[in-house]
This record gives sequence, structure tokens and C-alpha cells, in this order.
Amino acid sequence: GQNIDQPTEMTATEGAIVQINCTYQTSGFNGLFWYQQHAGEAPTFLSYNVLDGLEEKGRFSSFLSRSKGYSYLLLKELQMKDSASYLCAVRAFNNAGNMLTFGGGTRLMVKP
Amino acid sequence: GAGVSQSPSNKVTEKGKDVELRCDPISGHTALYWYRQSLGQGLEFLIYFQGNSAPDKSGLPSDRFSAERTGGSVSTLTIQRTQQEDSAVYLCASSGTSGIGDTQYFGPGTRLTVL
Repeated sequence: GQNIDQPTEMTATEGAIVQINCTYQTSGFNGLFWYQQHAGEAPTFLSYNVLDGLEEKGRFSSFLSRSKGYSYLLLKELQMKDSASYLCAVRAFNNAGNMLTFGGGTRLMVKP
Repeated sequence: GAGVSQSPSNKVTEKGKDVELRCDPISGHTALYWYRQSLGQGLEFLIYFQGNSAPDKSGLPSDRFSAERTGGSVSTLTIQRTQQEDSAVYLCASSGTSGIGDTQYFGPGTRLTVL
């Protein structure tokens, strides 16, 4: 099975940069996903990493190190609307199809 | 439709009753997943459908839970003799294939409350 760890809560200031870390243990690693979930809403896809390195998409970037079982999501120029939970999810070859195993999520609060 | 839809959005039921939750995936998506999210918790995999293959039921928590997918499209998750611990948000997701890099898109979920 998989074990995925991420901080429960983080607080940051509007306009700042925040890094949300995720560590995982799995066999047959086949990709790591980050989702954003606002309260009461469905998770929405943010990023996908399967190779080591940084993937940049606007204000959001995601990094992966497979050898360390480590990823982070970097959010720049924080806005109030970025207050949400950020879910780290891992896919493995021995999982059903594309079934994702999720961490507990990191609730980010952006303050003025 | 443009996205994954689920119904009802909210369901309140009494302990011991049966409930049915519906998911309509993105048109053309062959893979469909059900997850459960309890308050303040991460998502828990329940069941997976891929095309006409037999579903992977490895995540179902008990034999009170079952799911069907008719015609390779709409899916129904049924919970029999509901218990209070079944209270959660039930999320459905679909993806185009089970190939590498494919992304799952989630529906808005059904919030189930068992009294």
C-alpha cells in the first residue's frame, strides 16, 4: 500500500509564497497529483509529476523527487481565493487503473 | 455534459434505510471511480470501473456497499442498511483512459447524512 503525509494546516499572508510538502512511501510509483479543494466543493486538478523536477503552471509549481519520495506544491503571489485544502495523491502501478491514494490534505489559510 | 455530475447533492436518511447515489461521468470517459471523504479527512477509494471489465471493489468497506455502471456510462452507488458512520461526502471521478498521465476529474459530490 501507500503512505502519504502532508501537514494538516498552514497559514500564509496575501502576496507571499508558500510551500506545501508531501512525502510518500509506495512501490510501483506512477505519478503524483496535486488537487485543490475549496470547502464544500469537489477537488480540482492542479498539477501532475511523474519525472523528477519542477513543473510550473502560472502561480503554481510542483516539484518531485522520486528517490526521496518527496513532492512540494509552491504557490506564489498568494491571493485570498487560494485559501483551500491542497490534496497530494499518488498513483501506483499496482493500484486499480488510475486509482489515486490521497493524503489527508493541507488546509491553507491566506490572511490579508 | 461538460463535467462530472452527481445526484442528489445532499441526502439525509435514517439509520437502516437504503440509499442510491448517482454519477454521470464526462462523456467518452471510460474509467469511473467512487471515493468517500469523511469530515476533515482525505479521500478514500471505494470502487473503480474501466470500460466493460469487472469492477475493482477492493475499497468497499463492507458488503452493504455495492455499485453498478450501466452501459459504460452512468454509475449508481448503493448503500444498504445505512449506519451513522456512513455519513460522508461521496465523490465520483472519471478519466479518459487508464493510461499514464491521465487525470481524474471529480464531480461535486453527494453529502450523505445518516441520522
